[in-house]
Amino acid sequence: QVQLQQWGAGLLKPSETLSLTCGVYGGSFSGYYWSWIRQPPGKGLEWIAEIHHSGNTYYNPSLKSRVTMSVDTSRNQFSLNLNSVTDADTAVYYCARVRRRAFDWLADHWGQGILVTVSS
Amino acid sequence: DMQMTQSPSSLSASVGDRVTISCRASQTVSNYVNWYQQKPGKAPNLLIYTASTLQSGVPSRFSGSGSGTDFTLTISSLQPEDFATYYCQQTYSSPLTFGGGTRVEIK
Repeated sequence: QVQLQQWGAGLLKPSETLSLTCGVYGGSFSGYYWSWIRQPPGKGLEWIAEIHHSGNTYYNPSLKSRVTMSVDTSRNQFSLNLNSVTDADTAVYYCARVRRRAFDWLADHWGQGILVTVSS
Repeated sequence: DMQMTQSPSSLSASVGDRVTISCRASQTVSNYVNWYQQKPGKAPNLLIYTASTLQSGVPSRFSGSGSGTDFTLTISSLQPEDFATYYCQQTYSSPLTFGGGTRVEIK
């Protein structure tokens, strides 16, 4: 049974860098894409970025200038960095496992979510 | 970015009702639409992919249809555990985008 567990700082000040890590347990790490999606309180979902186990990355253009993803295949972990945060970045951040084939994109396993609050 | 517009934004229904949720894309997305269910405080759960394929383990009362720009999620007989928010998502063009959600409430 695949489980994703995520951790990182939950309270940031404006201009700081958000750093989150997601660990993958109980399943294969290779052959999948690994994604971050966020949800501002009371609002809808926004895809942030994803990374293949080989290291290829894809970013949402709206966030691309501030986002970096990395992967550690030896630990079955992947990470998200979002710099220069503002209160607009306050959201629950989810990590997810993604199966991709052509235009298919299936987020079939998700982490528990972390609320990241940006406040001065 | 591709806009995904869901309607209604919320609805009230009773157990046993047939429920239909619509999702319209701003441009054609072929059949590359997913549907997710989200309960309060929980991560989204994939229900349907590629417009009409039921994800493993999802009850057969859920079904999806559509192609091009118009898509529908149907719950044939609403159960107590189905009260949640539902999101459509297009995976045809980058960036991937979601609809605004439809909240299904108890009548």
